Amino acid sequence: SQQGEEDPQALSIQEGENATMNCSYKTSINNLQWYRQNSGRGLVHLILIRSNEREKHSGRLRVTLDTSKKSSSLLITASRAADTASYFCATDVASGSRLTFGEGTQLTVNP
Amino acid sequence: DTAVSQTPKYLVTQMGNDKSIKCEQNLGHDTMYWYKQDSKKFLKIMFSYNNKELIINETVPNRFSPKSPDKAHLNLHINSLELGDSAVYFCASSQPTSRGFFFGPGTRLTVL
Repeated sequence: SQQGEEDPQALSIQEGENATMNCSYKTSINNLQWYRQNSGRGLVHLILIRSNEREKHSGRLRVTLDTSKKSSSLLITASRAADTASYFCATDVASGSRLTFGEGTQLTVNP
Repeated sequence: DTAVSQTPKYLVTQMGNDKSIKCEQNLGHDTMYWYKQDSKKFLKIMFSYNNKELIINETVPNRFSPKSPDKAHLNLHINSLELGDSAVYFCASSQPTSRGFFFGPGTRLTVL
């Protein structure tokens, strides 16, 4: 069964606004990762948060993880048109074994 | 200095044909993967190899045969192509202690 589910499926915001995407999963994990996919391109790793971590920052990205609720969120602050892409969460149940992806959120940032 | 490369980028072929997609990584990673992304952008793992040894085979039809001649290469051969094989295929690599997977640019396969 699919591990990750994301919401919203699509999000449209104005440049400068913050974007929040949520991810839920079903089983225990070793870590959770977020990826970005620009149209017609491969996936790019954004950030990894381990199961014993609750929050992580990287530039304009902030990720939270709540293992009791089996959920994570990705916040992009001060969004830019270049942030327009699909964002996927992916869970790793045993470090490096495989990644199971969510359905993705299509983010559109309007200039 | 591309980390994970795939060829070809686009592949258009007729039903019933046999085709191959090649993947190479120059990161020194031990583990490589093939993922399939369908038209709804859902990504599903197909295979995983660790040091040339198959470790994951996710109930993929046996028309799909991965081959790893060395740990830097993982090729995908597909026999008797079907319409439902149309998708984007991504190669990826990782190291157990690394921070995330590295994905190739994808191969868009269209079966007519």
